[in-house]
Amino acid sequence: GAVVSQHPSWVICKSGTSVKIECRSLDFQATTMFWYRQFPKQSLMLMATSNEGSKATYEQGVEKDKFLINHASLTLSTLTVTSAHPEDSSFYICSAGMEGSEQYFGPGTRLTVT
Amino acid sequence: SQQGEEDPQALSIQEGENATMNCSYKTSINNLQWYRQNSGRGLVHLILIRSNEREKHSGRLRVTLDTSKKSSSLLITASRAADTASYFCATSGNQFYFGTGTSLTVIP
Repeated sequence: GAVVSQHPSWVICKSGTSVKIECRSLDFQATTMFWYRQFPKQSLMLMATSNEGSKATYEQGVEKDKFLINHASLTLSTLTVTSAHPEDSSFYICSAGMEGSEQYFGPGTRLTVT
Repeated sequence: SQQGEEDPQALSIQEGENATMNCSYKTSINNLQWYRQNSGRGLVHLILIRSNEREKHSGRLRVTLDTSKKSSSLLITASRAADTASYFCATSGNQFYFGTGTSLTVIP
């Protein structure tokens, strides 16, 4: 089956620093990758849709200057949390797939900002 | 706004009983997927049902899809304590949306 990886799986950073999270499709090419944020015991909140070669589409309420998304290739998308604050602490999950088709989810990255 | 809404929000049953979860959506879809998430862990893809399918089985899982009612159900038969998790539906079509989830607790 299709595999999506995320790196790192867990990161702790100090307030004010930036953190980059990678999402890779390991054995398939993904034209579309989605980034989600999940708070404890809650569902996933879609943050943005990342299309290879074009700018990401952000959901309402998500600051695009704070959450920088780059879909550099058909197998890699990155999410950079800039100037992180404790309220950015969360579980970040990506999914990858072809548009309109099944999405495969990554294992998630737990970000803790101290 | 959320496209996929699960019902019930929480479900608690005894081991061996069947568990049924429902999902409703709003727009046309290409397929609908069910996922499981154990506490603090990533998502596990359970089953995908396409818009032209009405029912699908995988082990103890049975999924139905009614496109006229824009709803799907996930049935877990002979539940086990290890089935305790949150279950989410997700739809793919013009857009991809994720539901709010049903928290299932199976009591040993």
